[in-house]
This record gives sequence, C-alpha cells and structure tokens, in this order.
Amino acid sequence: ETGVTQTPRHLVMGMTNKKSLKCEQHLGHNAMYWYKQSAKKPLELMFVYNFKEQTENNSVPSRFSPECPNSSHLFLHLHTLQPEDSALYLCASSQGEQGSGYNEQFFGPGTRLTVL
Amino acid sequence: EDQVTQSPEALRLQEGESSSLNCSYTVSGLRGLFWYRQDPGKGPEFLFTLYSAGEEKEKERLKATLTKKESFLHITAPKPEDSATYLCAVQAEDSSYKLIFGSGTRLLVRP
Repeated sequence: ETGVTQTPRHLVMGMTNKKSLKCEQHLGHNAMYWYKQSAKKPLELMFVYNFKEQTENNSVPSRFSPECPNSSHLFLHLHTLQPEDSALYLCASSQGEQGSGYNEQFFGPGTRLTVL
Repeated sequence: EDQVTQSPEALRLQEGESSSLNCSYTVSGLRGLFWYRQDPGKGPEFLFTLYSAGEEKEKERLKATLTKKESFLHITAPKPEDSATYLCAVQAEDSSYKLIFGSGTRLLVRP
C-alpha cells in the first residue's frame, strides 16, 4: 500500500447505527486530518492530530469522535448521525513538525457516507 | 476573516484552447498557497505549493503563479484528461495546520 488509504470507500448507515471510518498513511508523516466535503461546499476541516495529539477540533458535533492511536492510523467514530451528515469524508496527512504543522497535505480517496 | 474565492465556478474548453483559473485570497499573512486537482469520487491530488509573490511552478500543461492577492492556474493546450475540479487552498502564518479551501473550478475539456 502506498500513500493514504481509507476504508470503507462507501458506507450507508441509519441514524441509530454506530460505525467507524479508518485511515492509514504510508508516507511517514506525523500529522493527520479529517475533512468533510459536501456538495457545492468547500472542504471543511474537522480534526487535526499532530504527533498523535489532537490540536484542532473545528467545532465538530460530538456525534463525530476521532481517535489517533499512532502517527499512521486515524479513525472517525460515528454515532446517531443525521441525514445532513451525508458527505465525502476525506483523510489527509502531512509532514508535521513537533509543535507545528506544515507543508503539503496528501489526501486519501475518501469514504462516501450516506445517512438514511 | 481568511477567505478564498475561486473563479470561474465552471469552465468549458475545447481541446487545445488555453485558459486560466483564478484564486483570490484574503489572509492575515500567507504561509503557503496550494493547488489540488480532484477527479469525481476521489480525494484531492496535490499539484503545487507557492510561498511568495512572484513565484511560479510548472507541471506538464499546468503553470501556477502567485501575487499578493491572487493566484492563477494557467492551462496550456489542455487535453480531455485535464478535466477535473481544481481546488485552491491557503495556509495562514498564524495557523500551522489549517488549510482554507475555495469552492473549486470545474474544468471540462472537450475533444
């Protein structure tokens, strides 16, 4: 595997389900990100982890819960979502530096989430 | 407030017809400006980073330029495979991690 991978690629869930999205980066980076991409809207940053520490939570509702067990893996736990949460969820990584984040972000293919 | 505006929203070109995409930005000190290409159903693919006014970068038929207020992505003699959405993003000096994205320009190149 190379680059940034995400699973599953597609997910359909009901409003009462609990599911998790997984992201893995094979680039040796130290910073990882979750973004939400809705139709006709700019990418929205959700969470940032740098050296496994969460450094940004961009006012995301608590029904989205991130987890970063190490610098290569990032999860997004989902529960009691709403239909308006349907979107493409993108994971990205960048080089990162201790105490700061920097440089180009490289994206995975995304998970297309549909909430019924 | 930091902001990125891309124009046009959509652009249709004939194969070989050169054109430019615009990215206007307002940011409190620019750390970097990034161009990405995104194909339908896929994640954005990194193209260029520009750091200071006057800087230019090229890759095949694409050339990105930067001024203090905007960036242009010039496409020379485009081919149908250049059809995609092109995204611009900025990183502010006081925001180490956050990229602020524009809404993108959807480019369609007809054979």
